[in-house]
This record gives sequence, structure tokens and C-alpha cells, in this order.
Amino acid sequence: SQQGEEDPQALSIQEGENATMNCSYKTSINNLQWYRQNSGRGLVHLILIRSNEREKHSGRLRVTLDTSKKSSSLLITASRAADTASYFCATDPGSGYSTLTFGKGTMLLVSP
Amino acid sequence: SQTIHQWPATLVQPVGSPLSLECTVEGTSNPNLYWYRQAAGRGLQLLFYSVGIGQISSEVPQNLSASRPQDRQFILSSKKLLLSDSGFYLCAWSAGGQETQYFGPGTRLLVL
Repeated sequence: SQQGEEDPQALSIQEGENATMNCSYKTSINNLQWYRQNSGRGLVHLILIRSNEREKHSGRLRVTLDTSKKSSSLLITASRAADTASYFCATDPGSGYSTLTFGKGTMLLVSP
Repeated sequence: SQTIHQWPATLVQPVGSPLSLECTVEGTSNPNLYWYRQAAGRGLQLLFYSVGIGQISSEVPQNLSASRPQDRQFILSSKKLLLSDSGFYLCAWSAGGQETQYFGPGTRLLVL
């Protein structure tokens, strides 16, 4: 079953604008991860935020986590056409085997 | 550095035929291995994971099976394919005790 649910399902912006994607989940987590998937390719890990963290940065990426609301957001600043991809959140309950549960993803289109 | 391979890249099979998809990892020892299926426009569904040779855990009842005959080899099989087995199959690995997963390029399976 899906644990994370991303919102919006699709997002279309212009280069240079910021893109914000949200993820909601239902059960307790050890950490939450964001992955990126280019069309027809495998997923690439972007960033991991632990349950005791509230915000994390990596380059143009900023992730927040609100465990009280069971939600996370991914912000991509100054987007580029190359950021066009699907973005997935994945929750890890901390079972020790990294059994991630993925949402359905947000499809981001960045136009030049 | 670590590399993960999957083959074939694409496969078209008739209903009722057998299936064997292979995944191998290079550059690491005793990885945790995972098989996911991604239906069109949906997130990833975890099918199987393995923490060691011969150790397979199944997440959902299905027409598929998995085996791990060697430390860095993970095989997804079926004796008789169904139409509903069509999808994009992704193999992933993680280091023991680490949460991040690293994905292969995927195999697109079409059952006709």
C-alpha cells in the first residue's frame, strides 16, 4: 500500500522559478527520503531527512519534515530545464532493512 | 565505486510464458537487495527484498518469485506470466545498516 502521497501530481513552471512538492504519510517513520526519476530510468536518491530533523539542505534542494502533521516538502530553487523529472517521497519505518514505501510521485516540468 | 546492472532493458513476452530478470551489483559485499514494480503513472511497489544469500522476503502475494543464488545477484522469476505482470521492474541495493537505496536502470516488461 502507498504510504506517502505527493501533492501536486503534476507541476509545470518556468526556468528560474521555485518548485515545491509536498508529501503526506500515515504511520511513524525513522526517516523520509526524496528520489528523482527521469522518464524511463531508475530512481536517484536526492536527500534523506531523519525523524528528529526539521529541515535539511543540499545544493538547490531544501527539505522540511513535520512529524506532527506527518508531512514533508521538497523545494527546488531556481529550477532548470534539467530538473524535469518525477519526484517521489519514500518513508522508512526503521526496520533495519530499509524497506521503503514510495508515493505516486509529482511530475515536474520545467520549461526553458 | 558501486554499480548495479539489470537486464534485459526491455522484454515483450506472451501470456503464460516464463520470466527471468537478472540484477547484479558490483563494488560492494553483502548488500541488501530489492525488487520493485512500477505500474504506469504510479509509485513503486516493493515486491521482494533480501538481506543475504538464499534469504528472500516477499511483500505482496503474487505470481512472481525471487532468488539470490550469489551475494550480488538477485533474480526475479515467474513460471507463467499474466497480463497484469506488465510494468517497469526496478532492482535496488543498499549497504547493510544504511537507509539509502541505489537503483538500477530498470526492465520494461510488456506481457501480451
